[in-house]
Amino acid sequence: DADVTQTPRNRITKTGKRIMLECSQTKGHDRMYWYRQDPGLGLRLIYYSFDVKDINKGEISDGYSVSRQAQAKFSLSLESAIPNQTALYFCATSDQTQNTGELFFGEGSRLTVL
Amino acid sequence: AQSVTQLGSHVSVSEGALVLLRCNYSSSVPPYLFWYVQYPNQGLQLLLKYTTGATLVKGINGFEAEFKKSETSFHLTKPSAHMSDAAEYFCAVRRSGGYQKVTFGTGTKLQVIP
Repeated sequence: DADVTQTPRNRITKTGKRIMLECSQTKGHDRMYWYRQDPGLGLRLIYYSFDVKDINKGEISDGYSVSRQAQAKFSLSLESAIPNQTALYFCATSDQTQNTGELFFGEGSRLTVL
Repeated sequence: AQSVTQLGSHVSVSEGALVLLRCNYSSSVPPYLFWYVQYPNQGLQLLLKYTTGATLVKGINGFEAEFKKSETSFHLTKPSAHMSDAAEYFCAVRRSGGYQKVTFGTGTKLQVIP
């Protein structure tokens, strides 16, 4: 089983719908992240969390919200999806005790907004 | 501020030829540097990283990279390309010390020609 699991892996939805992408991890890491990948733009940070009570905006948080339900679970929500949120979304974790910045990624959630 | 520039969004090499993927960074303080690889329909995984110490870093699958401070570069090389190396490669940088955001380059897709 994957250490960082994302659900769903693929989702097609319509403009205006609410969408939630879920992430769970078994690595025991405190830090969790949501990234968005677009062709030619690399990965951009949406939100990150250092623990259940610590959530921070990344560089492109507008239109997104997150919830850290437990140390192992970090969900990303699109309250009202729009077509330019069509992208590949990645959840990642890192180990605070190592603090090298190495990220461990899930396999991604491909979202299409029509 | 920090940034990463990857030269060439697409690189093609023949099987058995040298692989060279270029990465230049900017950082106001000593950086930590990373190369990640993304195979089709998968998440990113770490190839190698430089934090401190030896500037020539060896990673998985025969890849290596050299941190050159004077050139602000961290190019990725492999002496002999294999078909299985076909993937997208991302260079990333973060500043050392405490929590620092990881910044990704825009990626380079490597094609290996038989």
